[in-house]
Amino acid sequence: DAKTTQPPSMDCAEGRAANLPCNHSTISGNEYVYWYRQIHSQGPQYIIHGLKNNETNEMASLIITEDRKSSTLILPHATLRDTAVYYCIVRSLYNTDKLIFGTGTRLQVFP
Amino acid sequence: DTAVSQTPKYLVTQMGNDKSIKCEQNLGHDTMYWYKQDSKKFLKIMFSYNNKELIINETVPNRFSPKSPDKAHLNLHINSLELGDSAVYFCASKGQGATGELFFGEGSRLTVL
Repeated sequence: DAKTTQPPSMDCAEGRAANLPCNHSTISGNEYVYWYRQIHSQGPQYIIHGLKNNETNEMASLIITEDRKSSTLILPHATLRDTAVYYCIVRSLYNTDKLIFGTGTRLQVFP
Repeated sequence: DTAVSQTPKYLVTQMGNDKSIKCEQNLGHDTMYWYKQDSKKFLKIMFSYNNKELIINETVPNRFSPKSPDKAHLNLHINSLELGDSAVYFCASKGQGATGELFFGEGSRLTVL
């Protein structure tokens, strides 16, 4: 599976949009981009995933560049409860049983 | 109802003991996992089972023995506990289909003294 690179930490003001970047320059055509987050002392939580089109759900939006080498997770109106570690993961369609977590981005939402 | 539940939530024990952590999912999923999160917060896959059959074993010491009595349960038994086994262990199950997302339990914090 392709490796991902994320900034170790970011800050965001409450009510503003949080844009979390992820680089996956070695991604291949059969690999999806997944985002999970882990709020302190809880299990990781699925947020969203995509292949090449932009995706949106009730939690977030996922913007994938046309060359698929990077993506951005957008939390449109961050709240204090969104403070967490956010993991960007590339997952092969042919090896779907394996989800490998990196070090993620620690997002701190402040009042 | 909790989708993926683990027991116990906390476990403190002495080196050399044997302990088990239980996991149950009520989502009807076929695939379940154990992940280990160490003190540096790195989350690492240990095992994966699909319909009671071992699919992934990420070079975990054989002191760790997962057992899946049915597809809704995946228990983790650890023999001869060592200090380095101290961690938070997460159970997860995978949604249906090739792109199914993982649902995680709340974790079991194991402390070996």
